[in-house]
Amino acid sequence: GAGVSQSPRYKVAKRGQDVALRCDPISGHVSLFWYQQALGQGPEFLTYFQNEAQLDKSGLPSDRFFAERPEGSVSTLKIQRTQQEDSAVYLCASSRQGGNQPQHFGDGTRLSIL
Amino acid sequence: QQQVKQSPQSLIVQKGGISIINCAYENTAFDYFPWYQQFPGKGPALLIAIRPDVSEKKEGRFTISFNKSAKQFSLHIMDSQPGDSATYFCAASLLMGNQFYFGTGTSLTVIP
Repeated sequence: GAGVSQSPRYKVAKRGQDVALRCDPISGHVSLFWYQQALGQGPEFLTYFQNEAQLDKSGLPSDRFFAERPEGSVSTLKIQRTQQEDSAVYLCASSRQGGNQPQHFGDGTRLSIL
Repeated sequence: QQQVKQSPQSLIVQKGGISIINCAYENTAFDYFPWYQQFPGKGPALLIAIRPDVSEKKEGRFTISFNKSAKQFSLHIMDSQPGDSATYFCAASLLMGNQFYFGTGTSLTVIP
């Protein structure tokens, strides 16, 4: 498709379970970003990839969060041993290059931890 | 610490009126200032963006005003329409940075 695609759109998991969220960026976009958006708040940066290299993971809240982009296109955000505070919308964005270029967002995955 | 401060939190405007949303920042190294529009259940969509070498940018009914000395920028929506009802986020990024720093959002309601 023409835009950033994320799946699943909704994910419900029990506390302690592992979850995996997928992002398909716009074709040809070098840069990929993950953000976390709490209810009623702006997106907050989690991590950034340029091609397959994870260049910045300073926003990952704990070592339970892990992201990868092994072939430089599709990315997966994994959360291990989920906690209730992980409940949020996880947004993926891509851009042609890194730096301050327009970022195009997917519709997100709404994660609910019971 | 919130890098970009946004106000108001919510805004109600009559159809045809002007909607104004304000943002302020502290980091003078910020070099790119986009505005995003977000509808419920959707991701943020880029609306308009400005760089600090210009004081104003207009695209259709949307205008960004930028005041570098005051470290403030604002979004003006002219002739507001009910379809503009959404949450608006300002953001900022560094020239060599990777992430956007978002404001906390403004929920705009345009009443017919």
